[in-house]
Amino acid sequence: ETGVTQSPTHLIKTRGQQVTLRCSSQSGHNTVSWYQQALGQGPQFIFQYYREEENGRGNFPPRFSGLQFPNYSSELNVNALELDDSALYLCASSPRLNTGELFFGEGSRLTVL
Amino acid sequence: DAKTTQPNSMESNEEEPVHLPCNHSTISGTDYIHWYRQLPSQGPEYVIHGLTSNVNNRMASLAIAEDRKSSTLILHRATLRDAAVYYCILRAPIQGAQKLVFGQGTRLTINP
Repeated sequence: ETGVTQSPTHLIKTRGQQVTLRCSSQSGHNTVSWYQQALGQGPQFIFQYYREEENGRGNFPPRFSGLQFPNYSSELNVNALELDDSALYLCASSPRLNTGELFFGEGSRLTVL
Repeated sequence: DAKTTQPNSMESNEEEPVHLPCNHSTISGTDYIHWYRQLPSQGPEYVIHGLTSNVNNRMASLAIAEDRKSSTLILHRATLRDAAVYYCILRAPIQGAQKLVFGQGTRLTINP
């Protein structure tokens, strides 16, 4: 059984650029969440997708957007990058809604210069 | 979101039990108590969760106080691989919401 995989693992962007991060959910999982983890902090919820629709969002501006595809994989897009967007971006999948048992990937480390 | 309080760090020795405390005095009657851990350079990993009764699984045990205002994660025999940041999280069972609110967690160091 393949777990949650994320790509790329590391990337460097400059301020003002746009970035797309990708996530393949675990087989059989139809729900995907994205989290941002700044250095030394716990992860913060960005949003959640279920059956290709966003159905929950944390306190992040609209320049953070996402997609979920029919195969349940997902993308996180961040426009107009700011220095404070430098963080580890974590994707988590789960087999159903309303469960607290999430399966996380290893994350994509974004550095904004 | 209901808040949890954990010690910033703890230290223990290999092959000894470890008790990780968590206070959650504002917990509501329907909040679940979840524990996750994050090993270095990895994403968080689910450990265990419970509502009212104590819970056991292959990784750990969760002891929940009778008033539910505190809980303790128990690692029965720590190994070096258990060195991680442990997060205690409260989750309201709102339909469709999987938002987990992570705090700072407890950094557990295991001495050989």
